[in-house]
Amino acid sequence: AQTVTQSQPEMSVQEAETVTLSCTYDTSESDYYLFWYKQPPSRQMILVIRQEAYKQQNATENRFSVNFQKAAKSFSLKISDSQLGDAAMYFCAYRAGTYKYIFGTGTRLKVLA
Amino acid sequence: GAVVSQHPSRVICKSGTSVKIECRSLDFQATTMFWYRQFPKQSLMLMATSNEGSKATYEQGVEKDKFLINHASLTLSTLTVTSAHPEDSSFYICSARDPVAGAYEQYFGPGTRLTVT
Repeated sequence: AQTVTQSQPEMSVQEAETVTLSCTYDTSESDYYLFWYKQPPSRQMILVIRQEAYKQQNATENRFSVNFQKAAKSFSLKISDSQLGDAAMYFCAYRAGTYKYIFGTGTRLKVLA
Repeated sequence: GAVVSQHPSRVICKSGTSVKIECRSLDFQATTMFWYRQFPKQSLMLMATSNEGSKATYEQGVEKDKFLINHASLTLSTLTVTSAHPEDSSFYICSARDPVAGAYEQYFGPGTRLTVT
């Protein structure tokens, strides 16, 4: 069975600094997608970034980038130039052919002014 | 981007009653919708997969007679919590897949907070 693990329940970062959130997963599939979602206090899930497993190049979206290590089954999220609005719960998610998402337990990110 | 709505956003009901939550895709046709439950400070747990015109597929441990799912049209799926009890109090989130947008595209609704008193 597929699993997603986020080992950091909470992280803090100073405003304008860089922070990395960790995620590991386990699967026997070769074709899948990985995602990072942000959940602010409103509880609305917001897609931050996605990575297709067949792509070797790491995905980047403005201040957000990932370090995808397929062999190690690792998918970390780097947030550069952290802003107060980045404070939220961040969930790592896995999706394979059935379109079902499997979410990690989440990391609460605090941004310190 | 595509929009998924949920109604109501909050609902309080008495123990033993039933409550219906709607999930709508506003600008696309969703062949598949998903229902999640999120307890406080926890992750999203998939409850069931809903395909238009067919029976929902429930995850292990989810009572299908308690959580009735109906996907009657390509833009609407409903979750009915029957004979609700305080332990059913939770945040319920739906997501909808847009088959036209791409293999990975799913869009989440804003969620419904259910409180059973």
